[in-house]
Amino acid sequence: ETGVTQTPRHLVMGMTNKKSLKCEQHLGHNAMYWYKQSAKKPLELMFVYSLEERVENNSVPSRFSPECPNSSHLFLHLHTLQPEDSALYLCASSQQTGGSYEQYFGPGTRLTVT
Amino acid sequence: AQTVTQSQPEMSVQEAETVTLSCTYDTSESDYYLFWYKQPPSRQMILVIRQEAYKQQNATENRFSVNFQKAAKSFSLKISDSQLGDAAMYFCAYRSEDFGNEKLTFGTGTRLTIIP
Repeated sequence: ETGVTQTPRHLVMGMTNKKSLKCEQHLGHNAMYWYKQSAKKPLELMFVYSLEERVENNSVPSRFSPECPNSSHLFLHLHTLQPEDSALYLCASSQQTGGSYEQYFGPGTRLTVT
Repeated sequence: AQTVTQSQPEMSVQEAETVTLSCTYDTSESDYYLFWYKQPPSRQMILVIRQEAYKQQNATENRFSVNFQKAAKSFSLKISDSQLGDAAMYFCAYRSEDFGNEKLTFGTGTRLTIIP
C-alpha cells in the first residue's frame, strides 16, 4: 500500500450503532487529520494530530472520538450519530516540520446515517 | 480567521481549450502558502499546484499555472489544453500556521466539466 488508505470506503449505520473509521499513512509523516466533506460546503477540519498528540478539535460533537495510537494510524470512533453526520470523511497526512506543507489525502469513507 | 472564496460553483470548457478558475482569500498574514487541490470523481484529493506568498513568480506545473495577485488576495488557476482527465472538483486552500501547527482552509470548490 502506498500513500494514505482509508477503510471502509462505504459505511451505512443506524443512529444507535458504534463504528470506527480507519486511516493509515505510508509516507512517514508526523501529522494526521480528519476532515468532513459535505455537499456544497468547504471541507471542515475536525481533528489534527501532530506527533501523535491531538492539537486541534474544532468544536466537534463528542459523538466523534478520534484516536491516534501511532504516527501511521488514525481512527475516528463513531457512536449515536445523527442523520446530518452523513458525509464523506477524509483523512490526510503531512510532514509538519521541514516538509513541503502538502497534505496527502485518502480516498475517504462515505458515511450514511439512517 | 482566514477565509477562502471560490465564486464559481461550476465551470465547463471545451477539450483542448483554456479555462481559469478563480479564488480569493482574506488574511492579515504576509507569509503563507496557497494550494489548488483536485478531487476527481473517484474522490482522492491530490495537489495540483502550490504557491508561496513570498515568491513573486507565479507557480507552473506543466499545463497548470496560477495568477497570484498578493495585493488583491487573488489566486486563480489556469488550465491550458484541457483534457478529459481534468474533469474534477477543484479546491483552493490557504495554509496557516498557529504555534507550529498547520491548518488548511478550503474554499467550497469549483466543479469543472470538460466537453469533448
